[in-house]
Amino acid sequence: DIVMTQSPDSLAVSLGERATINCKSSQSVLSRPNNENYLSWFQQKPGQPPKLLIYYASTRESGVPDRFSGSGSGTDFTLTISSLQAEDVAVYYCQQYYSDPLTFGGGTKVEIK
Amino acid sequence: EVQLVTSGGDLVPPGGSLRLSCVAPGLTFSSDWIHWVRQAPGKGLEWVAAKKLDGSVENYVDFLRGRFTISRDNAKNSLYLRMDSLRVEDTAVYYCVGSRGWIFYNWGQGTLVTVSS
Repeated sequence: DIVMTQSPDSLAVSLGERATINCKSSQSVLSRPNNENYLSWFQQKPGQPPKLLIYYASTRESGVPDRFSGSGSGTDFTLTISSLQAEDVAVYYCQQYYSDPLTFGGGTKVEIK
Repeated sequence: EVQLVTSGGDLVPPGGSLRLSCVAPGLTFSSDWIHWVRQAPGKGLEWVAAKKLDGSVENYVDFLRGRFTISRDNAKNSLYLRMDSLRVEDTAVYYCVGSRGWIFYNWGQGTLVTVSS
């Protein structure tokens, strides 16, 4: 199984500042045939289901604000919120869909400083 | 976006059984796959099982294989998760999720399963 490790567990960022979340996979999730990384990012607010933000490591889902961006390849990935807004307070999860079983990181809680 | 409606969660005793439902009211499933993902109270996300909507493939996380079974009723546009021999550690919110390939783009609202005596 591919183990996904997120860091930090939580972070507090001032409004308008940058938030950076890291995700590391225990093995590469890069698909050589299509050169895509099979890595998604989700946002979950209290009492709500998760929402897809990013897939293929860096492709923003339709309707997601452009302050959210994903980067990385192979085993190391980053979700960046360029200018934190109050509505971005949530838990963020990375997930690999390269191989079965599909696995998630443990989550990173983002709060306002 | 097709709204996935999840239902069937309940309080059941250890060793009991439950069937969860995932419905796309009035529409056929538009995703390639339907997955079940669970979240224990205050914990992270855990993929449980998936079924390809052409019926050709089913996948389960190894430690649940044999206790959990996915089935589908095409006439009712419904997909089910049958859970047997339930344990306290199966307590969670269970989400039905639609995917394109395996990209999880459409999450239902979830249904709470509580296993307790």
